[in-house]
Amino acid sequence: GAGVSQTPSNKVTEKGKYVELRCDPISGHTALYWYRQSLGQGPEFLIYFQGTGAADDSGLPNDRFFAVRPEGSVSTLKIQRTERGDSAVYLCASSFSPLEKQYFGPGTRLTVT
Amino acid sequence: DQQVKQNSPSLSVQEGRISILNCDYTNSMFDYFLWYKKYPAEGPTFLISISSIKDKNEDGRFTVFLNKSAKHLSLHIVPSQPGDSAVYFCAASARGSQGNLIFGKGTKLSVKP
Repeated sequence: GAGVSQTPSNKVTEKGKYVELRCDPISGHTALYWYRQSLGQGPEFLIYFQGTGAADDSGLPNDRFFAVRPEGSVSTLKIQRTERGDSAVYLCASSFSPLEKQYFGPGTRLTVT
Repeated sequence: DQQVKQNSPSLSVQEGRISILNCDYTNSMFDYFLWYKKYPAEGPTFLISISSIKDKNEDGRFTVFLNKSAKHLSLHIVPSQPGDSAVYFCAASARGSQGNLIFGKGTKLSVKP
């Protein structure tokens, strides 16, 4: 069985541009999480989906960040008007249920120039 | 204000010896703790977890100890192997948080042959 996949693996964009990062969770996992890892830091929670709905988006830094999961499987993290401070590795994780262990994807490294 | 702290950025041990990685937390609402291992360019991989109702959990060479009164947990790896060289992250969650994890900054373990 495939693990969590994320595309693209690397994304370089110019300041002010819009980017979309995709996450394909493990089949059957209802819970999906997005984290952001900056250099020298641990992953930082962004948003959690249970099914199609965002159950907790308290970690999103501001309204430039938005995420969707329209069919309860694939999720897309969207960042508008990117800033250099958005440069980080964006990690996606999924689990069978909210309190089960989370399986992480390899991440998308976003670089904003 | 860091809720999960890993005060040692790095640790070096000899192959065959014990590795002890430490983690402290400040939030008394945390009741579930996990250790993840991360290799470069990969996502974190779940290693072992412990619930706050226990003080020890063992899985093969890996043992996690929890001291609730001290708000401290540790991961013991014995015997250490060169393949254990990676960054280890301590993470915690509170049941009411729906599973979003709070991570420490990580400890880079180097196991020398």
